Amino acid sequence: AQKVTQAQTEISVVEKEDVTLDCVYETRDTTYYLFWYKQPPSGELVFLIRRNSFDEQNEISGRYSWNFQKSTSSFNFTITASQVVDSAVYFCALSETLTDSWGKLQFGAGTQVVVTP
Amino acid sequence: DTGVSQNPRHKITKRGQNVTFRCDPISEHNRLYWYRQTLGQGPEFLTYFQNEAQLEKSRLLSDRFSAERPKGSFSTLEIQRTEQGDSAMYLCASSPSGRNHEQYFGPGTRLTVT
Repeated sequence: AQKVTQAQTEISVVEKEDVTLDCVYETRDTTYYLFWYKQPPSGELVFLIRRNSFDEQNEISGRYSWNFQKSTSSFNFTITASQVVDSAVYFCALSETLTDSWGKLQFGAGTQVVVTP
Repeated sequence: DTGVSQNPRHKITKRGQNVTFRCDPISEHNRLYWYRQTLGQGPEFLTYFQNEAQLEKSRLLSDRFSAERPKGSFSTLEIQRTEQGDSAMYLCASSPSGRNHEQYFGPGTRLTVT
């Protein structure tokens, strides 16, 4: 069963608009980690952010911010004032602990973000 | 550059041939992961090494697949008797030991089986 769901297949925006990417996850673990990765057209996955299940404080890092809500099992990601260089596929990923202590990542299907000038 | 490197970047092979890919992780990272990514999908876990020990293999890893990390440094992934369904991007990632550090990915090896 898919443990990470990214319902949005593609989002198209005009430069400077904000983009919010949805991620819903499923786990029975009480301790787990959530990640966002970016995959630009070059293909290499780039780590963006990590959040553990005990820390629901939402943060902002530059133009990136995230909204983690355990009650709804969601870990949404926002790019503020998008730029053309933000065009990429964005993946949400889950790492469980009780069921898997080795840290393997379980990815969603990804959301393609297209930013046009 | 001290990132994760993978070779070759592209491999085209005929069905039935054997192929081998190499991954060089970030030097101080003890953990090494292999993933496979098909078009339009997220990466799927294949196998994992802690130093030279292979500690987990996915059910996706059939008997035709084998991975090694002989000295706890670089790793190789071999596919024997390739099939067209093996066509995918093979990604390697590494991370430090400890609980759930972020993983750093290499550029991948794109395999095309004709």
